[in-house]
Amino acid sequence: ELKVEQNPLFLSMQEGKNYTIYCNYSTTSDRLYWYRQDPGKSLESLFVLLSNGAVKQEGRLMASLDTKARLSTLHITAAVHDLSATYFCAVGMYNNNDMRFGAGTRLTVKP
Amino acid sequence: DVKVTQSSRYLVKRTGEKVFLECVQDMDHENMFWYRQDPGLGLRLIYFSYDVKMKEKGDIPEGYSVSREKKERFSLILESASTNQTSMYLCASSSLAREDGELFFGEGSRLTVL
Repeated sequence: ELKVEQNPLFLSMQEGKNYTIYCNYSTTSDRLYWYRQDPGKSLESLFVLLSNGAVKQEGRLMASLDTKARLSTLHITAAVHDLSATYFCAVGMYNNNDMRFGAGTRLTVKP
Repeated sequence: DVKVTQSSRYLVKRTGEKVFLECVQDMDHENMFWYRQDPGLGLRLIYFSYDVKMKEKGDIPEGYSVSREKKERFSLILESASTNQTSMYLCASSSLAREDGELFFGEGSRLTVL
């Protein structure tokens, strides 16, 4: 059974600092997703990573995938308050009928 | 843009009531999903459907059923609601034509069972 572990589950950081969220998964997978959720809102897609060594960047967020280590990271550079949200990783198999989500990382960026 | 619409954003029901949650997508996606989201547990798959009238159980199907009579619509049914079904319910869809298999989510339906 595919299991996905995210850490940390809660992250409070100062504006301007850097930090990394980790996503480990238990079985071989061919795709990894990162989503953002604002309070009371639905999930918004951030990144889709489809191959070993894939790296994608958008603004202050950068996601990478190491399929051999079964690890994805979401790196936050010079955090700003607008990045405060809950971030989920999700691991999928072909046709996504077996997609699994991590528990989420609740990020708070303080001035 | 893909749009996934959930008919009810907030519902309050009593124990034992029958509850219908409706989801409609407008991009002709083959796959549709129902998840429930609880704090600290992430999203857990209840049911999914890959075609009209087809359905597959997810991780937590007990107490739920689904219906997909038309491609664009996927309904989640709670035959007899219980307090432990108080949760946020998220509908999602995806297209087999997309290599990345990305899911598109609705706004969610927050259900409270008293």
